Amino acid sequence: DQQVKQNSPSLSVQEGRISILNCDYTNSMFDYFLWYKKYPAEGPTFLISISSIKDKNEDGRFTVFLNKSAKHLSLHIVPSQPGDSAVYFCAASAQAGKSTFGDGTTLTVKP
Amino acid sequence: EPEVTQTPSHQVTQMGQEVILRCVPISNHLYFYWYRQILGQKVEFLVSFYNNEISEKSEIFDDQFSVERPDGSNFTLKIRSTKLEDSAMYFCASRRDEVSGANVLTFGAGSRLTVL
Repeated sequence: DQQVKQNSPSLSVQEGRISILNCDYTNSMFDYFLWYKKYPAEGPTFLISISSIKDKNEDGRFTVFLNKSAKHLSLHIVPSQPGDSAVYFCAASAQAGKSTFGDGTTLTVKP
Repeated sequence: EPEVTQTPSHQVTQMGQEVILRCVPISNHLYFYWYRQILGQKVEFLVSFYNNEISEKSEIFDDQFSVERPDGSNFTLKIRSTKLEDSAMYFCASRRDEVSGANVLTFGAGSRLTVL
């Protein structure tokens, strides 16, 4: 039972354009959703989070949108930069318990 | 900036051998985790540790696995008798003790385990 899914294994965008990464979940008990970024040979690093009581959270070029009725969240990166090229993981947790990760989406931003 | 450090960065072992992976979490963090990522697959939860005991573990974390925090700083993952399918990148993570919040984890760079 995969509770957090990222259906797109890869995404390629042009520098300066918007990158949209998607994530779906099944467990309605999740109360926090997070995005992590991972470069090769490094551990995941926290990017941005959103509480289940909100529908949007913004931090600079990064915005996360949450649609609870659809059990869907997305990460928007605007404008995309070549340094954003990495694997992006969606994660979710319930009541400060363990985080459950999606499969990851590899983002490539072309100059 | 505080970081989680893991050793070794890469370990090659023979099937059936014992392996110990070590982690030094951030000093004021109270929750500790091990996750693993098999090549090309997702990051999977193994175990969480709080107040010197396991707080949650996954189905993967069977009797072959154990964790301990022997000296108040190091947090170790032991695999008693490694199998080929234990080959993966093992990530240690820690977080502060927050009653509520986003449960943000700080990860180490990982220890790559190769079982031959």
